[in-house]
Amino acid sequence: GIQVEQSPPDLILQEGANSTLRCNFSDSVNNLQWFHQNPWGQLINLFYIPSGTKQNGRLSATTVATERYSLLYISSSQTTDSGVYFCAAFYNQGGKLIFGQGTELSVKP
Amino acid sequence: DGGITQSPKYLFRKEGQNVTLSCEQNLNHDAMYWYRQDPGQGLRLIYYSQIVNDFQKGDIAEGYSVSREKKESFPLTVTSAQKNPTAFYLCASSIAGAGGSDTQYFGPGTRLTVL
Repeated sequence: GIQVEQSPPDLILQEGANSTLRCNFSDSVNNLQWFHQNPWGQLINLFYIPSGTKQNGRLSATTVATERYSLLYISSSQTTDSGVYFCAAFYNQGGKLIFGQGTELSVKP
Repeated sequence: DGGITQSPKYLFRKEGQNVTLSCEQNLNHDAMYWYRQDPGQGLRLIYYSQIVNDFQKGDIAEGYSVSREKKESFPLTVTSAQKNPTAFYLCASSIAGAGGSDTQYFGPGTRLTVL
């Protein structure tokens, strides 16, 4: 079946460090979203990025659809960035959003 | 405020009971979704609805039921047939139903525990 794989599964950073999270998907996608799940479980939309590059403050994302991967960059990390980051891909054939297993990020002060 | 609300935040159920989780949105979105999340896992789709009075099974629909009588409401019932219902349940909505590739927005979730 169609798969979405994220790496690394866990990441520990010192405050101020930069990081790159990766999302690989096994088929062509119509929609690729990045989410941040905070410690209370709320999923926050970060990016809707089926292709190209977008930036929002310290976060940016790039999706290379032809090579079937997306990257999320976090610069100058803060403790409030801690939580789990999910990517999710939408495949027209299945008609649903498929989530990766997430990357758990912990930023230490 | 526009958004998606879920209630209750925490729910405890005895074995053999049916329980209903509420999801309401005032974003005027056509499509609504229910997901289940288990510890350390991603989200899995239970049911979705692209339009009022219509809904489709997702990947793990067994033991669950839904209704969509109003555009803004999409309640999920966890029945006694669901063998392992303890999980975190998330509701989402998106603008358009057809295709479903629009951005999905999520509610705050309900944590269900079976005693």
